[in-house]
Order: sequence, then structure tokens, then C-alpha cells
Amino acid sequence: AQTVTQSQPEMSVQEAETVTLSCTYDTSESNYYLFWYKQPPSRQMILVIRQEAYKQQNATENRFSVNFQKAAKSFSLKISDSQLGDTAMYFCAFHTNAGKSTFGDGTTLTVKP
Amino acid sequence: SQTIHQWPATLVQPVGSPLSLECTVEGTSNPNLYWYRQAAGRGLQLLFYSVGIGQISSEVPQNLSASRPQDRQFILSSKKLLLSDSGFYLCAWHGASGTYEQYFGPGTRLTVT
Repeated sequence: AQTVTQSQPEMSVQEAETVTLSCTYDTSESNYYLFWYKQPPSRQMILVIRQEAYKQQNATENRFSVNFQKAAKSFSLKISDSQLGDTAMYFCAFHTNAGKSTFGDGTTLTVKP
Repeated sequence: SQTIHQWPATLVQPVGSPLSLECTVEGTSNPNLYWYRQAAGRGLQLLFYSVGIGQISSEVPQNLSASRPQDRQFILSSKKLLLSDSGFYLCAWHGASGTYEQYFGPGTRLTVT
């Protein structure tokens, strides 16, 4: 069985600064995908960034980047130049080729002006 | 482009009453479909997923069931609701091949009284 752990229930950051959200996972699978999703107060889930486990290069999407450490089973999200619109709950998720997905409990991020 | 619909948006039902939540996807074929439940301030709990018509995998034993009568239609049902069934229900899909990022519907807020 897969597990995903987000150890930071809440975090805050000043506008324009950088923040890193942590995520660790456990699996016996060799092929899988990792994702960060954002859920703003509207509760609409939005994909932030994805990482294929077979790729060593860390994914980057504009101000969002990940630090993927496969051996350590760690997948952290870095948000640079934080904006007020980044305030949301962030979920780390793990997905297997067989179709099953597992989500962490989330980190609530508040960006302060 | 692809879109995903869920209805109703909100629902208040008494204990013991039946439930039917519907999810439909437009603009794609043979999607993988998912039902999740989210308790307040918590992560997503995978309830069911489907890789094709009539193919349903259940992740959590409970009084809920799912069906996929058509390729792009996914239904969540219950014969008798419990208080513990209250929550925010999300439907999601991803393509049959690719990188497995999921696209979520707007959700249904269910309150069992």
C-alpha cells in the first residue's frame, strides 16, 4: 500500500518570499507519478506540477519547482516570489500505472501581504 | 477541450435516505474516473476508481457503491445514508494514457442530518 505524508499542516510566508512544502511517500512500486495539487477557498482542485518517477530532472513550472529525491522518497514543492493568490491548501499525491492514487492530508499555506 | 460536471452542488439528506451523485466528462473518451471524499480541512480519501465501463475498484468498505453505465458517466450511490457520509465529494478523471494528472469536478457538498 502507498502512503503519502505531509508533515506541515499549516505554513505562512510573506508576499514575494520563498516557501517550501514537504512531502514524503512510501511505496514498493517502481513506476509512478507524483503531483502537487492546489485547493483554494473555492475548493476547486487544480494541478500545480507533476513529476515522473523515472525522470531524474526536477520539474519546474514558472514559480513552482520540486525537489524530487527518489531514494529518500521525498517530493517537496518550492514556491518562489509568493503571491496572495497562492493562498490555498496544497496536496501531495502519488499515482500508480494501475490507476490508484493516494493523497496526503494537505498543507494550508497562507501568503501574508 | 475537456470538461467535467458534477451535480448536485449541494445536498442535504436525512439519515437512512438514498443517495445518487452524478459525474460526467466531456471531450474525451475512455477516461479513468475517480470518486473521492474530503472531510473538512482534510485530504482526499479515494473511494472508487474505474478504468472502463462496468469496471469499478473499491478502496474503502462502506455503504457506498459506484457504477459506470457509460464511458463518460460515473455515479456514486447509497441505499441508506449514515451521518458519517457527510463530506465534500469530488469526481476526477485522467486520460487512459499519459502522465496521469487528474482533473477535478467542482464537487458536491453532502450534509446528512
